[in-house]
Amino acid sequence: AQSVSQHNHHVILSEAASLELGCNYSYGGTVNLFWYVQYPGQHLQLLLKYFSGDPLVKGIKGFEAEFIKSKFSFNLRKPSVQWSDTAEYFCAVRGGGSQGNLIFGKGTKLSVKP
Amino acid sequence: DTAVSQTPKYLVTQMGNDKSIKCEQNLGHDTMYWYKQDSKKFLKIMFSYNNKELIINETVPNRFSPKSPDKAHLNLHINSLELGDSAVYFCASSQDGRGYGYTFGSGTRLTVV
Repeated sequence: AQSVSQHNHHVILSEAASLELGCNYSYGGTVNLFWYVQYPGQHLQLLLKYFSGDPLVKGIKGFEAEFIKSKFSFNLRKPSVQWSDTAEYFCAVRGGGSQGNLIFGKGTKLSVKP
Repeated sequence: DTAVSQTPKYLVTQMGNDKSIKCEQNLGHDTMYWYKQDSKKFLKIMFSYNNKELIINETVPNRFSPKSPDKAHLNLHINSLELGDSAVYFCASSQDGRGYGYTFGSGTRLTVV
């Protein structure tokens, strides 16, 4: 069965600091990987996804993620965070054929201090 | 235009009651889902429906029943509500195929008192 691990439960940064959130997945077959963001009191929004090709994926709001197959990782990065990036970030994997479920990690709360 | 819409946004009810949450998507997606987000923000899939057929049911109590009158709707009915059912419930939809992410509704915060 596929699973996703996010090792950081809560990350606290000052504005302009660089961000890296870890994500590792467990699945033996071909997967697609996603990062979602949930701003306080809101629904989940897609930040970026990896399907195939270039393992470095660029998403919205200056976020990017790198797929490293050998490490089963898909870490999220941003060179300089803003206070408005304060949110919960979820890594997710979808595999298991065309109707495979989207399985989420437990999320990482990011708090950015102004 | 709202892509995935859920109603109600908030629902407060007493233990033992029966309630429903509605979900509609106007994206023409093939599959719809219900997720439960607990107080620790953990998202767990409950159901998915594809072409009116339930294709996954993840160890959810049978008090929960999804109902899909057509491809664009997936409602969630809950019988005999319990305190532990308090959570935020998200509806989502997607195209078939691994490369597609899900589009989520804005969530329904259910509080059982």
